[in-house]
Amino acid sequence: DSGVTQTPKHLITATGQRVTLRCSPRSGDLSVYWYQQSLDQGLQFLIQYYNGEERAKGNILERFSAQQFPDLHSELNLSSLELGDSALYFCASSVDTSGGELFFGEGSRLTVL
Amino acid sequence: DAKTTQPPSMDCAEGRAANLPCNHSTISGNEYVYWYRQIHSQGPQYIIHGLKNNETNEMASLIITEDRKSSTLILPHATLRDTAVYYCIVRPAFNNNDMRFGAGTRLTVKP
Repeated sequence: DSGVTQTPKHLITATGQRVTLRCSPRSGDLSVYWYQQSLDQGLQFLIQYYNGEERAKGNILERFSAQQFPDLHSELNLSSLELGDSALYFCASSVDTSGGELFFGEGSRLTVL
Repeated sequence: DAKTTQPPSMDCAEGRAANLPCNHSTISGNEYVYWYRQIHSQGPQYIIHGLKNNETNEMASLIITEDRKSSTLILPHATLRDTAVYYCIVRPAFNNNDMRFGAGTRLTVKP
């Protein structure tokens, strides 16, 4: 158990819909990262937050947005969903941005039909 | 841009050492080498990291060449539970921003 909690574990929705994925980082971790992993694809970095502020942005689509709240949990919002958005979405956390390991949650599996 | 090159797949016999290579010929002086693994579709798990010295922990050993252009992750006594995709990542020291994973090496441990 990494200490990072992601909900929901599984989500099935239709094209055009909007969903929100939630991540609670490990206790004491200030930085949260979101990754997308499509079928047979590697982990694609989406975005990183540190203590409520956006710190780095990767290959995140404009239809996707994220935020980190004062209690440090983070949400990833995916809108106007397309079939190709079906993937595992992982959240990771770390103490800060200055080094050390990332602790990953078990992921949220999104299926868009 | 990929900073590391790994073989796409490797096999290892159970109980034997698994040696996973990684090429990072463009590594900078302030960049660390990190290894993670992902078992099936679980969240990736940190294994080990190093700068220039060899490192060992309870999971694995990391051997970094003197010129730092390549490294090898060693699982000393591989078990079936070590079957996973292993990722070698290079990133700057003191900077977790934008840690990018490549395709990794799919290690299959066989009985």
